[in-house]
Amino acid sequence: GQNIDQPTEMTATEGAIVQINCTYQTSGFNGLFWYQQHAGEAPTFLSYNVLDGLEEKGRFSSFLSRSKGYSYLLLKELQMKDSASYLCAVKTGTASKLTFGTGTRLQVTL
Amino acid sequence: DVKVTQSSRYLVKRTGEKVFLECVQDMDHENMFWYRQDPGLGLRLIYFSYDVKMKEKGDIPEGYSVSREKKERFSLILESASTNQTSMYLCASSTRTEPFNYGYTFGSGTRLTVV
Repeated sequence: GQNIDQPTEMTATEGAIVQINCTYQTSGFNGLFWYQQHAGEAPTFLSYNVLDGLEEKGRFSSFLSRSKGYSYLLLKELQMKDSASYLCAVKTGTASKLTFGTGTRLQVTL
Repeated sequence: DVKVTQSSRYLVKRTGEKVFLECVQDMDHENMFWYRQDPGLGLRLIYFSYDVKMKEKGDIPEGYSVSREKKERFSLILESASTNQTSMYLCASSTRTEPFNYGYTFGSGTRLTVV
């Protein structure tokens, strides 16, 4: 089966850096995605990692270690608009379907 | 601007009713998916489809069926709605063309309440 774990809630201060962790145990692995979801809205794509290492995209970076079944999303220079849920999702096998974690709700405060 | 459109944003139905949730995408994507999202449980896959007229069960297909008669449209059917099907329903699509590095495109969701 698939098991994806991430913290339920996090709080951070505007301008700070926050790291959201995701661990997974899956039968087969073919990539890991991070999505952002604001309350009442659809998830939107943030990043994709299939090889080990760090992928940087502006203020957001995502890291993957396949041997450890571990990923993190790093958000720098936090802004109030970054308050949202962050979803970790794993693609397994050759199918295109994703299995999602329960999401981490991030609150950015002044 | 590419889009996945779900026909209703909010829906209230009675227990026992047959409910249709419609999803249309304009990106010529092969793959389409239906998820439900509940607090504390995250997104759970109900059904998906890789091509016209084909469908596969996801993790929680009980009480649901789907239809894909055209490539751009994927319908979720609640055969006899029950209160435990009250949820946010999200449709998504994706392409099989590699590199698959931009993930799904989601619709804006349908919040279904069964009373």
